[in-house]
Amino acid sequence: ETGVTQSPTHLIKTRGQQVTLRCSSQSGHNTVSWYQQALGQGPQFIFQYYREEENGRGNFPPRFSGLQFPNYSSELNVNALELDDSALYLCASSSEDRGYYGYTFGSGTRLTVV
Amino acid sequence: AQSVTQLGSHVSVSEGALVLLRCNYSSSVPPYLFWYVQYPNQGLQLLLKYTSAATLVKGINDFEAEFKKSETSFHLTKPSAHMSDAAEYFCAVKWGPAKLIFGAGTRLAVHP
Repeated sequence: ETGVTQSPTHLIKTRGQQVTLRCSSQSGHNTVSWYQQALGQGPQFIFQYYREEENGRGNFPPRFSGLQFPNYSSELNVNALELDDSALYLCASSSEDRGYYGYTFGSGTRLTVV
Repeated sequence: AQSVTQLGSHVSVSEGALVLLRCNYSSSVPPYLFWYVQYPNQGLQLLLKYTSAATLVKGINDFEAEFKKSETSFHLTKPSAHMSDAAEYFCAVKWGPAKLIFGAGTRLAVHP
């Protein structure tokens, strides 16, 4: 059983650029969530996708957007990058409608905006 | 709104000593609660979860947590600390259908 995989592991971007982060969910999971973890803080919920539809959104601006694909993998897109977007971005998969109430996290993508 | 408070941003114990990491949540309904561990430069690993079954939850690596509704607490314990337990620990509560709300984390140091 494969876990959650994220790519790339590290990324450096310039302020104003756009970035796409990718996530493959754990086998059998149909829900993907994205979190932002700034240095020294707990993860903050960005949004969740269930069956290719956004299923909840945290307090993040519209320049944070996402997609979920039919194979349940997902992308997080961030436009017009700001310095404060520098953080570890975590993807988590779950499958509540299949009785799994835990969230399996990937190892994250470390984004640095300069 | 839901919130999670972890008392003590840093906890230091001796190897072999009891580990106690505190977590309190605010909720008007029975919650789903989680403890995660994060090692440096890694993602989050699920230690254990409470989903309205037994109030004493056993997790991996001899960790356990007890749900106390009257105290709105979900403290994490381990009888005997190992050096390998040194990490950041996060308590989280599930809010609505979608999101987890995390505490600020507690960094556990284990010294010989």
